Amino acid sequence: GENVEQHPSTLSVQEGDSAVIKCTYSDSASNYFPWYKQELGKRPQLIIDIRSNVGEKKDQRIAVTLNKTAKHFSLHITETQPEDSAVYFCAASGNTPLVFGKGTRLSVIA
Amino acid sequence: ETGVTQSPTHLIKTRGQQVTLRCSSQSGHNTVSWYQQALGQGPQFIFQYYREEENGRGNFPPRFSGLQFPNYSSELNVNALELDDSALYLCASSLARGQETQYFGPGTRLLVL
Repeated sequence: GENVEQHPSTLSVQEGDSAVIKCTYSDSASNYFPWYKQELGKRPQLIIDIRSNVGEKKDQRIAVTLNKTAKHFSLHITETQPEDSAVYFCAASGNTPLVFGKGTRLSVIA
Repeated sequence: ETGVTQSPTHLIKTRGQQVTLRCSSQSGHNTVSWYQQALGQGPQFIFQYYREEENGRGNFPPRFSGLQFPNYSSELNVNALELDDSALYLCASSLARGQETQYFGPGTRLLVL
């Protein structure tokens, strides 16, 4: 089945800097890759997703890139703000239901 | 606001008991997936329901069972509770099965003593 690895597990950045979180997946049939943000005690919220027919997608300060050959995808957050502090999860699905990574705790230091 | 609701928000049970968790999907969504999220981990897929039928199951024992009703709301039942069942239980609804965007509810936090 699908296996998703996510790095790093924790990430601290200064406010205004960029943050990058990387994920790899194992199942070449996976073709849908969402990213969720989960604040403490809250539900996971979809922030961006990408399908395998595109290589990059942007939404304001957030972008996701996908390399299907290498089976990895990344989340890029530019001009980070304190409210970006949360746990971020990547996930992948194709022939299987969504499989999540273990999460990255992002801390943005003001 | 995603529109997915879950009840109850918190629950405390003892080992061996049974529990039922409930989820109302977002309007227009016919697919509900259930996940278990242990502390510090990502959500793990339990099973999915599409139009009242189970449509895929993760690596969970048969004491985890579910239902979906004609209005697409859903229940998760867990029998013979174990300490390791303590977790946040999330449901997510989507427009259809497959690679559709999933929207999560707020979760039910279950503590088994």
